Amino acid sequence: DGGITQSPKYLFRKEGQNVTLSCEQNLNHDAMYWYRQDPGQGLRLIYYSQIVNDFQKGDIAEGYSVSREKKESFPLTVTSAQKNPTAFYLCASSPWETGSYEQYFGPGTRLTVT
Amino acid sequence: QKEVEQDPGPLSVPEGAIVSLNCTYSNSAFQYFMWYRQYSRKGPELLMYTYSSGNKEDGRFTAQVDKSSKYISLFIRDSQPSDSATYLCAMNIQGAQKLVFGQGTRLTINP
Repeated sequence: DGGITQSPKYLFRKEGQNVTLSCEQNLNHDAMYWYRQDPGQGLRLIYYSQIVNDFQKGDIAEGYSVSREKKESFPLTVTSAQKNPTAFYLCASSPWETGSYEQYFGPGTRLTVT
Repeated sequence: QKEVEQDPGPLSVPEGAIVSLNCTYSNSAFQYFMWYRQYSRKGPELLMYTYSSGNKEDGRFTAQVDKSSKYISLFIRDSQPSDSATYLCAMNIQGAQKLVFGQGTRLTINP
């Protein structure tokens, strides 16, 4: 089955630790995205990548880093510099030919930092 | 003022009712308009998208775009308890990589 997988589903970390969230897709999509969702808020874009070895900052990139070494993988690192990291993190991908409007989402990772 | 405004609800209706969900926006350059459905603790799934103005129908769902009023709607006919979810509108400019999301409307269909 084609799709997007995110792991783990739940993640707990102590303040001051970096943590990496995994995102893998087997849809052969070129573009991948990371969003953050807070209660009662829409999705906010953290980073996106249109092609391997290239990525751009979204609206709230501070305190986050990404890499895109393979087409199917786009891991997100939440660093200790992120002031309020507890949130629901969503990864998405879209085929290049349809543009960003046809985005498909993974199941999400709920990160809790205490 | 946010670029996309969506009433967060919650909205509660009886089974079988027609549901109307709406978003307004301020950027007249938006051309693609999407509706996503998100069940609790899950990722959003794309329901429908519309390019420019007009209506689009898919089964019990109808998406409507009125660019002159900067207003989009999603109608759900014969609503079912399984339609209970948060509905997010999203839109973007052709060629742009960024989707702009509304904050979502939480919908409950009561049996």
